[in-house]
Amino acid sequence: KAGVTQTPRYLIKTRGQQVTLSCSPISGHRSVSWYQQTPGQGLQFLFEYFSETQRNKGNFPGRFSGRQFSNSRSEMNVSTLELGDSALYLCASRQANYGYTFGSGTRLTVV
Amino acid sequence: DQQVKQNSPSLSVQEGRISILNCDYTNSMFDYFLWYKKYPAEGPTFLISISSIKDKNEDGRFTVFLNKSAKHLSLHIVPSQPGDSAVYFCAASAGDDKIIFGKGTRLHILP
Repeated sequence: KAGVTQTPRYLIKTRGQQVTLSCSPISGHRSVSWYQQTPGQGLQFLFEYFSETQRNKGNFPGRFSGRQFSNSRSEMNVSTLELGDSALYLCASRQANYGYTFGSGTRLTVV
Repeated sequence: DQQVKQNSPSLSVQEGRISILNCDYTNSMFDYFLWYKKYPAEGPTFLISISSIKDKNEDGRFTVFLNKSAKHLSLHIVPSQPGDSAVYFCAASAGDDKIIFGKGTRLHILP
């Protein structure tokens, strides 16, 4: 069974630009969540999508948005990038109430 | 408000000895607890979980203990091995709500 796939693995963007990250969950998993990891802050929850609907949302500004497609693939978009958005962005999928399976993440660097 | 707290940013343990990682939580609605392990440049990988109806769960070298009255859980690794050097995240959820992570504890296994 293929794992959670995130693309791209690495990304460098300039302040003010926007970026779209992609996540393909494990086949059969309908829930996809996104987390931001920065040094000293652990994993901070961005949002969760289930069957194309946002089910939960974290405390991030509106510049962070996401969506989920009918095949459960998900995208996350960050507009008007700031230096502080540099982080590892992790996508995770899960089935029912079990724990997450994470992808390898996208390392975003904003310069 | 940090609902899942890992108060030790780092821990060093001699190879072959026991590693004990601690985690406290504040939300009494949490009913499912997990531990994840993370190596640099990789996504977190699931280690072990425990439901709130249990107080102990064991899987090979890994044992998780849950003390609901103290809102405390711990992960024991016996015996510790060099490959256990990583960042360990404690996480918790209530029903199918989002999974909330602590900030992590970096474990160093010393030769």
